[in-house]
Amino acid sequence: GENVEQHPSTLSVQEGDSAVIKCTYSDSASNYFPWYKQELGKRPQLIIDIRSNVGEKKDQRIAVTLNKTAKHFSLHITETQPEDSAVYFCAASRFGGYNKLIFGAGTRLAVHP
Amino acid sequence: DGGITQSPKYLFRKEGQNVTLSCEQNLNHDAMYWYRQDPGQGLRLIYYSQIVNDFQKGDIAEGYSVSREKKESFPLTVTSAQKNPTAFYLCASSIGGTPTYTDTQYFGPGTRLTVL
Repeated sequence: GENVEQHPSTLSVQEGDSAVIKCTYSDSASNYFPWYKQELGKRPQLIIDIRSNVGEKKDQRIAVTLNKTAKHFSLHITETQPEDSAVYFCAASRFGGYNKLIFGAGTRLAVHP
Repeated sequence: DGGITQSPKYLFRKEGQNVTLSCEQNLNHDAMYWYRQDPGQGLRLIYYSQIVNDFQKGDIAEGYSVSREKKESFPLTVTSAQKNPTAFYLCASSIGGTPTYTDTQYFGPGTRLTVL
């Protein structure tokens, strides 16, 4: 069945360093890839997304890259700050009758001052 | 996503009881979704609805029921048939995808259900 694998499960970096989280997906028809940030006890919030017609998208310190051939996509956070500490989820979906998101298991990012 | 509300924030249930979780949105979104989140896991889809008076089972629908009588409301009932209901429940909504476009889902603040 459809599956999204996410790595690493935990990531610890020093403030100012970069962080990279990687996801692979199984459904080759997937064409929409959002990333959500979830702080403890809060709702997931969309931070960036990418569609299959582009290979990279950037928004300030956050960027996402997509490799459709290899079926993987990555989140890059540069100049990390303590407020970036949270759990990050990737997801994949495809066009169709409805928008079914398949989520990765999440990465807990800790940014140490 | 500020237009999606869930209540209550915390809910305690005794074994054998049914409970209903509320989800309301004022974003005029056609599609609504219910997810379950367990510690260390991603979100899993329980039910979804693309339009009023229509809903479909997701990946883990057993022990749950929903209704969609109004566009802005999508309540979830956790029945006594759900063997392990303690979890964080998240409702989401989206404008409504098309055959050629996948839209963005926005989440409510969640309800934490604990079975005593």
